[in-house]
Amino acid sequence: EPEVTQTPSHQVTQMGQEVILRCVPISNHLYFYWYRQILGQKVEFLVSFYNNEISEKSEIFDDQFSVERPDGSNFTLKIRSTKLEDSAMYFCASSPGGQADYEQYFGPGTRLTVT
Amino acid sequence: GQSLEQPSEVTAVEGAIVQINCTYQTSGFYGLSWYQQHDGGAPTFLSYNALDGLEETGRFSSFLSRSDSYGYLLLQELQMKDSASYFCAVWNAGNNRKLIWGLGTSLAVNP
Repeated sequence: EPEVTQTPSHQVTQMGQEVILRCVPISNHLYFYWYRQILGQKVEFLVSFYNNEISEKSEIFDDQFSVERPDGSNFTLKIRSTKLEDSAMYFCASSPGGQADYEQYFGPGTRLTVT
Repeated sequence: GQSLEQPSEVTAVEGAIVQINCTYQTSGFYGLSWYQQHDGGAPTFLSYNALDGLEETGRFSSFLSRSDSYGYLLLQELQMKDSASYFCAVWNAGNNRKLIWGLGTSLAVNP
């Protein structure tokens, strides 16, 4: 069964550094998302992406963040000048579009630790 | 503002039935989704309601009342493996596509 994959599974970085989190959505899906979950808390929407542009972004998704689909398969989240409070699990998700678009498929997540 | 309310914790025993309620207040609404998340795992989709009524999928059912801005997830014949967090989430489709999540309900199923 197709699945969303994410790399790395765990990223440790120093405060102020830039990180790039990578995702490979399900191949025939049209919509891509990034979410953040701080340990023990709820899942927070960051951004949705469609047709090579941002569809919607939350107030969390400020100039520190950017997304890119550099080729036909990868979807990346870049976090610049990381802060301690950026430590969280970051989930990528994709959805097929069309009538079944409400079901999002999540990757296993990247645990980001900022020290 | 946008908010979803659901109980923080629920405890039940194997074989029992449990209902997790969700009330929402959002600026846009296409439907109500439910996701399950085991500790350390990714959220997995359980169900979606766009119209009023009950949707049944095996041991799990989900209900929506749009007029009451209310829904629930019903889990029957509980098993130990159902111990997880359950999130309701409002789906906003269209141009401003996003999923707004509740805080989650931690379900503990005891023997």
